[in-house]
Amino acid sequence: AQTVTQSQPEMSVQEAETVTLSCTYDTSESDYYLFWYKQPPSRQMILVIRQEAYKQQNATENRFSVNFQKAAKSFSLKISDSQLGDAAMYFCAYRRDSGNTPLVFGKGTRLSVIA
Amino acid sequence: EAGVAQSPRYKIIEKRQSVAFWCNPISGHATLYWYQQILGQGPKLLIQFQNNGVVDDSQLPKDRFSAERLKGVDSTLKIQPAKLEDSAVYLCASSLMRRWVYEQYFGPGTRLTVT
Repeated sequence: AQTVTQSQPEMSVQEAETVTLSCTYDTSESDYYLFWYKQPPSRQMILVIRQEAYKQQNATENRFSVNFQKAAKSFSLKISDSQLGDAAMYFCAYRRDSGNTPLVFGKGTRLSVIA
Repeated sequence: EAGVAQSPRYKIIEKRQSVAFWCNPISGHATLYWYQQILGQGPKLLIQFQNNGVVDDSQLPKDRFSAERLKGVDSTLKIQPAKLEDSAVYLCASSLMRRWVYEQYFGPGTRLTVT
């Protein structure tokens, strides 16, 4: 079974600085999809960024980018120019295909942003 | 476009009581998921529907949990009788293809406390 591991239960970053959240996963599939979701306190989970495993280029969405290392099965999220609104739980998630199969989540990393 | 709606947002019950949660997915989304998120953990799939049929309920504790999706739109998740370990946030999600990949959209969740 696929597993997703987030080894950092909590992280903090100064406003305007950069922070990297780590994620590793285990799979025997060669093609799969990886996601980072953000869950603000008492608010719904939203998709931050996704990466297709067949793509060598790292995904980027504005201030959010990933470092995808397929051989190492590593998928880290970098947040640049951190803002107070970035404070949330961040979940790394895996899905084995592009379809409707369920997501497998890590335990999450709580990010605090210090003004 | 309206998001995934869930109700109630919060529920407190005593153990051995029954409870039901309701979800209305985004209009046109054929696939609906129920996830359980225990405090300190990532969401875990309970059941997946495609229209009004069950695709995957392998992780659903069927001795106490049940779910239905009549007419392929709204869904209800029921727990009867509840146990202390059922305290969690119950997330509903629906999915739609976006840029050739299905993406899941989450509701705000129902926070259940069993005392």
